[in-house]
Amino acid sequence: DTGVSQDPRHKITKRGQNVTFRCDPISEHNRLYWYRQTLGQGPEFLTYFQNEAQLEKSRLLSDRFSAERPKGSFSTLEIQRTEQGDSAMYLCASSLMSGAYNEQFFGPGTRLTVL
Amino acid sequence: AQKVTQAQTEISVVEKEDVTLDCVYETRDTTYYLFWYKQPPSGELVFLIRRNSFDEQNEISGRYSWNFQKSTSSFNFTITASQVVDSAVYFCALSEALNQGGSEKLVFGKGTKLTVNP
Repeated sequence: DTGVSQDPRHKITKRGQNVTFRCDPISEHNRLYWYRQTLGQGPEFLTYFQNEAQLEKSRLLSDRFSAERPKGSFSTLEIQRTEQGDSAMYLCASSLMSGAYNEQFFGPGTRLTVL
Repeated sequence: AQKVTQAQTEISVVEKEDVTLDCVYETRDTTYYLFWYKQPPSGELVFLIRRNSFDEQNEISGRYSWNFQKSTSSFNFTITASQVVDSAVYFCALSEALNQGGSEKLVFGKGTKLTVNP
């Protein structure tokens, strides 16, 4: 399977703990996006990378959130001192910047539950 | 700022009925893209269609059809002869075009939950 993969698929943690999620984009895709989807809502943009550079961050991305994409391949999203409001599905998408429009392919998501 | 509104939160139909999902968008961009995604209970977003802002032709793909009207900033989605497998949450989304110099991030509506009953 050469689609976008995310790990873990589910994470349950206690408030105050740190968590880290991983996203492996489609090989050769140079753009990588993180979105967050809370219950009953559409996905909301968090941040994106072009290669290893983080080029845009949403105001939703508080100081407790950090994302990296070393070497422009996989990406990690870390949440420090988790809060119950962080409970959501975290979606990763990747695209190949090559033309007028570059379709984003989504992974299956990581569902985070903060107790 | 870009915004997508899906006024219908939930729709319930009986199998074989036609159903239309509404989408209204706001943007200041002159070039943009509109999308529909399907999210079944498994949670993964499934791409259905992309439409360029310069192309107002309606499109039909099997039982699915899309009506793009720039004059009313709407991009509605119709399922003809609905089936139980169409039950899912459907999202309309908007993206700026790459030549606007941006990220091409997707701005989603809140979704419409469609339930097709046998």
